[in-house]
Amino acid sequence: EAGVAQSPRYKIIEKRQSVAFWCNPISGHATLYWYQQILGQGPKLLIQFQNNGVVDDSQLPKDRFSAERLKGVDSTLKIQPAKLEDSAVYLCASSPFTGGYEQYFGPGTRLTVT
Amino acid sequence: EDQVTQSPEALRLQEGESSSLNCSYTVSGLRGLFWYRQDPGKGPEFLFTLYSAGEEKEKERLKATLTKKESFLHITAPKPEDSATYLCAVQPPSGYSTLTFGKGTMLLVSP
Repeated sequence: EAGVAQSPRYKIIEKRQSVAFWCNPISGHATLYWYQQILGQGPKLLIQFQNNGVVDDSQLPKDRFSAERLKGVDSTLKIQPAKLEDSAVYLCASSPFTGGYEQYFGPGTRLTVT
Repeated sequence: EDQVTQSPEALRLQEGESSSLNCSYTVSGLRGLFWYRQDPGKGPEFLFTLYSAGEEKEKERLKATLTKKESFLHITAPKPEDSATYLCAVQPPSGYSTLTFGKGTMLLVSP
């Protein structure tokens, strides 16, 4: 079974530029998550989708971050404009259902904002 | 607010030297407590889910246990390949059950 795929793996941009990350979850998984992991910290949830719909985006900085999940499969996370403090690894994860189930993570995208 | 505290922050062991990692949590109820392993440059890899106090789960040299306030990850006779960061996360019982992660324990096992 193929795992969670993410691209790109690395991205370097200047502050105030925009960037987008792509995620393809495990086939059949209804729930998709985007996390931000700053160096030395645990992952922090940014947004959670159940199929096409957003069920939790309480920690998403909505003035600069946006995410969508079209057709309940792939997802894109965008940052516009980026700030220095956005430098982090952005992890995508999926699970079969929400609540009580383990999440399977992709390899992440390491973003450096200069 | 849910809190997860992991200790120690870093642990260095000799190969074969058993030890335990701690995860203490404050959450109103608990749907599940999760342990993940994260290697450098990779996403977290699922290890265990524990649901109730007294529950134990084992996988190779790892054993996870759960009480009402904390969980332990016991590592028996570790090998260098067990070197990684171990993350603990809790999931409350209500709503969509967002995971709250601790900062992790970085384990280094020397040959």
